[in-house]
Amino acid sequence: DTGVSQDPRHKITKRGQNVTFRCDPISEHNRLYWYRQTLGQGPEFLTYFQNEAQLEKSRLLSDRFSAERPKGSFSTLEIQRTEQGDSAMYLCASSFGTAAYEQYFGPGTRLTVT
Amino acid sequence: AQSVTQPDIHITVSEGASLELRCNYSYGATPYLFWYVQSPGQGLQLLLKYFSGDTLVQGIKGFEAEFKRSQSSFNLRKPSVHWSDAAEYFCAVGAGRDDKIIFGKGTRLHILP
Repeated sequence: DTGVSQDPRHKITKRGQNVTFRCDPISEHNRLYWYRQTLGQGPEFLTYFQNEAQLEKSRLLSDRFSAERPKGSFSTLEIQRTEQGDSAMYLCASSFGTAAYEQYFGPGTRLTVT
Repeated sequence: AQSVTQPDIHITVSEGASLELRCNYSYGATPYLFWYVQSPGQGLQLLLKYFSGDTLVQGIKGFEAEFKRSQSSFNLRKPSVHWSDAAEYFCAVGAGRDDKIIFGKGTRLHILP
């Protein structure tokens, strides 16, 4: 069990560029979550997958955001036409089966939009 | 709507002193409650959780929390803090069948030597 990993750990991009983040959950965890954490705030739920199906999307997830989880393994979160307000820490978590609330978090990807 | 309030943004205690971090929640049913800790550059680590049963729950690193339904509270305690406990602490409630977790804004703990 190597834990949840995220790549990259840091990303600096210019406004208007597209960025993509990757999350690798703990092996055999069927649920995967994305959260966003801005400075001075707790993490906020963005979206959630069970296997490859995206089951819930927050209103925070504008149409510039898209998430995928092909084959129910790793997941990607893409932000198109980034804005300065997108600067935040993007956290991924995974869980298994009936212990769905026992979410294990990755180290996060810190995005800075200049 | 579900929500979590952590009234203290910063808390400073001396090493070896006792600690209590406050958390109040709003949720219509029996809540699932959590405390997470986040150190700089680290992800969130689950300290403890309450689902049902005994209202005093024990966690890792010597932490405990008590669920008080009448006060809608889930305060985190530790009898003697260590310098390594300096971090940000988040209280959270599990909400809805999509299993998303609602977090409070966090309390940053500072330890005086």
